[in-house]
Amino acid sequence: AIQLTQSPSSLSASVGDRVTITCRASQGISSALAWYQQKPGKAPKLLIYDASSLESGVPSRFSGSGSGTDFTLTISSLQPEDFATYYCQQFNNYPGFGGGTKVEIK
Amino acid sequence: QVQLQESGPGLVKPSQTLSLTCTVSGGSISSGSYYWSWIRQPAGKGLEWIGRIYTSGSTNYNPSLKSRVTISVDTSKNQFSLKLSSVTAADTAVYYCAIRELGNYYFDYWGQGTLVTVSS
Repeated sequence: AIQLTQSPSSLSASVGDRVTITCRASQGISSALAWYQQKPGKAPKLLIYDASSLESGVPSRFSGSGSGTDFTLTISSLQPEDFATYYCQQFNNYPGFGGGTKVEIK
Repeated sequence: QVQLQESGPGLVKPSQTLSLTCTVSGGSISSGSYYWSWIRQPAGKGLEWIGRIYTSGSTNYNPSLKSRVTISVDTSKNQFSLKLSSVTAADTAVYYCAIRELGNYYFDYWGQGTLVTVSS
């Protein structure tokens, strides 16, 4: 099974900061990677699919890049509502998720 | 827009079978457009895909849980269900139902989740 490793596992940032989260796959997965945002007590919400395609309704400050084994999620200017945990997800025989990155207020 | 709602007991005894149902609204489970999945999340931990079913009844399960999982669909009630047998405290988690569109690998819609605690 393909493993997804996210880094960092947590980070502290301030409103307005540029934030980058990395997801590394144990094998190449082309561009078949999605990113989700999860707030406490809520279900995950799809942000990005196909590594860089923005889901409808998601603010443009979110962007994704990468292919093969290395992917990034970038928040260009962190907003108060962006403090949450972010997960990457791939599909190889069955869906698998990264361990998550918690974005906290500095 | 499709909406999903999980339901079922919030407390299950060890060694018993966990049973949950996901009710679909705003769309037909018979449409053939989606895979209907279960995903769980232990408190403070990450997400684990449990398995999925298609309208035809075909299933696919996470190999780590396959021996204990059964997912079924009831098209007459527009519902799909999860049964997880021989539960232990390690199965305590929030359980989500979620769907992904045919041809996609990512999950478009999620239920709100339901907490199931395994305890005597």
